[in-house]
Amino acid sequence: DGGITQSPKYLFRKEGQNVTLSCEQNLNHDAMYWYRQDPGQGLRLIYYSQIVNDFQKGDIAEGYSVSREKKESFPLTVTSAQKNPTAFYLCASSIEPGFLSPLHFGNGTRLTVT
Amino acid sequence: DAKTTQPNSMESNEEEPVHLPCNHSTISGTDYIHWYRQLPSQGPEYVIHGLTSNVNNRMASLAIAEDRKSSTLILHRATLRDAAVYYCILNSGNTPLVFGKGTRLSVIA
Repeated sequence: DGGITQSPKYLFRKEGQNVTLSCEQNLNHDAMYWYRQDPGQGLRLIYYSQIVNDFQKGDIAEGYSVSREKKESFPLTVTSAQKNPTAFYLCASSIEPGFLSPLHFGNGTRLTVT
Repeated sequence: DAKTTQPNSMESNEEEPVHLPCNHSTISGTDYIHWYRQLPSQGPEYVIHGLTSNVNNRMASLAIAEDRKSSTLILHRATLRDAAVYYCILNSGNTPLVFGKGTRLSVIA
């Protein structure tokens, strides 16, 4: 079955540590996205990538970094510079660049930093 | 992209139709209306989208007002599995989708 795999489902880290969240898709989609969701809130865009080896900052990129070396992979690193990293992180993809194609989401990684 | 207004929450009885409203009075001519839903502890899933005409698919129907200032997502027969947060989003294709707080739909057995 094609889809987006985010791992792990739950992640716990100590404050001051960097942590990398995995996102892999086998849909052959060009574009990939990272969103963050806090309890009771909507989704906020962290980074997005329309093609391999290129990515753009979203609304809340500070304290995060990404890479897009392969079409199927878009890992997100939460650095120690991110002030409030505890959140639900969602990865998505769409079949083509541009923003009209439907987004396909993974089931998220819930990160807790103490 | 223009902003949308949705009720915070709605309730429906199982097996009855549900009409989820969305107001977007500042919509522009190039804005598409997108609907997604998010089940508990999952990522959002695409439901439907349209520009001017009403749209139907296996999940739902989208009714768009003639002046395009409002739209309604219609679930024809609610089931317990339809309990979710429903997001109405406008997008002209120039920027990524922006997800607001949506409408939390509860379905009562």
